Amino acid sequence: QVQLQESGPGLVKPSQTLSLTCTVSGVSVTGGGYYWTWIRQHPGKGLEWIGNIYHSETYYNPSLKSRVTISADTSKGQISLKLTSVTAADTAVYYCARTLTHRDTWFGPWGQGTLVTVSS
Amino acid sequence: QSVLTQPPSASGTPGQRVTISCSGSSSNIGRNDVYWYQQLPGMAPKLLIYDNNRRPSGVPDRFSGSKSGTSASLAISGLRSEDEADYYCAAWDDSLSGSGVFGGGTRLTVL
Repeated sequence: QVQLQESGPGLVKPSQTLSLTCTVSGVSVTGGGYYWTWIRQHPGKGLEWIGNIYHSETYYNPSLKSRVTISADTSKGQISLKLTSVTAADTAVYYCARTLTHRDTWFGPWGQGTLVTVSS
Repeated sequence: QSVLTQPPSASGTPGQRVTISCSGSSSNIGRNDVYWYQQLPGMAPKLLIYDNNRRPSGVPDRFSGSKSGTSASLAISGLRSEDEADYYCAAWDDSLSGSGVFGGGTRLTVL
């Protein structure tokens, strides 16, 4: 059974870098032919696709591309998200999810999500 | 401002049939499959419909999806109190370098 769990600081100061980790269990992050996607949800709002990764191949939302880096650590079974120069607009619940291809919006399973607040 | 447009709210009484619309364009729904997600309060979204009209195992057949042109719909028949949740549509968008896009979500209230 594949499970995902996000972790990282719940509070980040403006202009700093947001760093989150998604720990994957039940399957290798570079095996099984799956992509791993980051999605965020602003408080009380809808969902936003951030980007995904397959081995070292990455795809990013054009609106976030200049600030986002997604990477994979096979030995730890983790997918990481880094978002630079954060502002209050980056306050959101961040989810990781498995998907089938880089252009897929079939997501499952999802992690439980982690809330990140950007504030001084 | 979401790329896909959904009504912010919908409602119905137990046993009724409710539909939720999702409007897009030729760069997303017009050329790619539509997916629907159910988000219960405080939980992560859960896949409800994939490939426009297919249900993952475990999803009741009360839920159905359809797509026509640049629009899609989710129908819920035999409405139950546990269906009260937020519903999101999603599709791939081929504009620029491509990106996944979602609707703004529809909050379904069971009266």
